[in-house]
Amino acid sequence: AQKITQTQPGMFVQEKEAVTLDCTYDTSDPSYGLFWYKQPSSGEMIFLIYQGSYDQQNATEGRYSLNFQKARKSANLVISASQLGDSAMYFCAMREGPGNYGQNFVFGPGTRLSVLP
Amino acid sequence: DGGITQSPKYLFRKEGQNVTLSCEQNLNHDAMYWYRQDPGQGLRLIYYSQIVNDFQKGDIAEGYSVSREKKESFPLTVTSAQKNPTAFYLCASRDRGVRAFFGQGTRLTVV
Repeated sequence: AQKITQTQPGMFVQEKEAVTLDCTYDTSDPSYGLFWYKQPSSGEMIFLIYQGSYDQQNATEGRYSLNFQKARKSANLVISASQLGDSAMYFCAMREGPGNYGQNFVFGPGTRLSVLP
Repeated sequence: DGGITQSPKYLFRKEGQNVTLSCEQNLNHDAMYWYRQDPGQGLRLIYYSQIVNDFQKGDIAEGYSVSREKKESFPLTVTSAQKNPTAFYLCASRDRGVRAFFGQGTRLTVV
């Protein structure tokens, strides 16, 4: 079964506008972590933001914030004030189990974001 | 500088050949991972290792093999049994902290 779902294969946003990239996940483990990575055309994976399942507040990192709705099992990424350099593939990922073990670390299919000038 | 090094960046394989992709990290991380990415697709887990001399199959392990003889190294062999090996391969590592660190990737092409 798909553990990470990203329903938007592609998204467009105007420069300087905000955009939300959707991610839903499936796990029965009470302890898990959710991640967002950016992959530009060069292929490297760039870590953006992390949310632990027990974190009370939504994570924020600069222009990135994670809208964590635990009951709905969603972890949407919000990018504020989009820049042309934000054009890339974006992947949602999940680690199941406590962070001190090297468990399976699975990724969603990704969303391609294109920022328009 | 600490990080993960994958080599080579580009690799060409003839039909029926085995090839080995290198992944080395100097971050002192326990866990290491290999992923395959096809064009326009997400990352699929091939193998992962939580500790030296131990590794687990991921979702698409058939046709691949790994070893973990040293903490720093987690090489991936693409065997002749892998019928469609052309893809982008990413290695990652993580410690007991939060994030996984990725290498720059190896692009494998069958010729």
